[in-house]
Parts: sequence; C-alpha cells; structure tokens
Amino acid sequence: GAGVSQSPSNKVTEKGKDVELRCDPISGHTALYWYRQSLGQGLEFLIYFQGNSAPDKSGLPSDRFSAERTGGSVSTLTIQRTQQEDSAVYLCASSLSQGGMEKLFFGSGTQLSVL
Amino acid sequence: SQQGEEDPQALSIQEGENATMNCSYKTSINNLQWYRQNSGRGLVHLILIRSNEREKHSGRLRVTLDTSKKSSSLLITASRAADTASYFCATRGSSNTGKLIFGQGTTLQVKP
Repeated sequence: GAGVSQSPSNKVTEKGKDVELRCDPISGHTALYWYRQSLGQGLEFLIYFQGNSAPDKSGLPSDRFSAERTGGSVSTLTIQRTQQEDSAVYLCASSLSQGGMEKLFFGSGTQLSVL
Repeated sequence: SQQGEEDPQALSIQEGENATMNCSYKTSINNLQWYRQNSGRGLVHLILIRSNEREKHSGRLRVTLDTSKKSSSLLITASRAADTASYFCATRGSSNTGKLIFGQGTTLQVKP
C-alpha cells in the first residue's frame, strides 16, 4: 500500500488476555517506530527498529511488552496479560534512513481498550 | 520522560488570525520537527529544522529555532478552520539518531 497500515484499527480485550498489534510500513522504509498515546496526551516512545534489529527498546513500559520485526518489513507489538492502564492508541511510524534527517510517516493507529 | 514541552496546551483563535505555538527541549539536538494530528490518530509531518538553522518557512508555516534557549516556535499565519488540530514538536538528539521524542502537544481550535 501507499502508506503505513496498522491492524486492527480497534481492539477490545479483557484484562489478562494477550494482544498482538500489527504494523505494515511503507515499502523500502528501513526504520520503524512504535509509540503509545493516551487520551489527550503526547506520544510515548516505545521501541525503534532499524531493519530487523531494535537498537532502542528503552520505552517499553514493562516485560509484558515485546515487539519484533521480520524481513525488514512487518512488525508486531505484543502485550501479554493486558491491564486496564494499557488502554491507549498505539501508533506505528516508518521512515527512510537519511542520516538523522528522517521524517516519520504514521499509520492511523490501533485503539486498544482493556476492560 | 519526554524531551519536549509545549505551550500553550490549548489555543483558540478566530479564522484569519495567526497562531503561535512554542516548544522547549532539554538536550542537544540534531534537528527538530513539527507534526500535526487530526482526530487523535496518525500524525503528519509538517516541517523539519536543522540545529544549524534559525528559521524556516513552508507555505503559511514559519518555524524558528533557538538552540541557546533550547526552544522552537511554530507560527501559522492567516489561520483557517481546517487548521484545527493538535500540533507536536519532536526532537532527535545529537547523540542518538534513532529515537524521535515528541512533546505533549498544543491543541489548536480555529473558529470560523
């Protein structure tokens, strides 16, 4: 597709269940980012991939959160044993590598609601 | 913690007026970017200013950067109702080219 695609667009789950969120970046973009945004708040950095490796995982809130990227393309963010405080919009973005001048292209996000 | 702090948190103006939003950050940067977000979903890149630049223009947007004060401002001239959105600054540190850190954002409402 032409843009960053995220699925599902909405996910409602029960507390304690695991969820997987998917991000399909723009073709050819080597960098991929995950952010979390709570209602009315700014973006909280979660993790960044360059190719398939994650040089910076510093933003993952706990060991219940993990992410992987395969084939330098699709990424999945997994949240295990979800808690109500995990409810937020999870945003994915991708970019070309341009020596630090990258601009990010965002998907429309996944709205996660944990009941 | 997030690097960028923005003010005001919310701004309401009449169509045709100018809107100014400010961003402050804490550490040395490689560049600073501004993004726009409609309806709480995906963000759209507006403009990038490098650390060695002081001012940049793009259409009705004017961005300034003062690295001595660690601050930036975004000016939208002749605002339109369609400019209603949240605006975020984002910084990329000079020592870490991977991570882009976003501020808390300014919510702009332009009344027709």
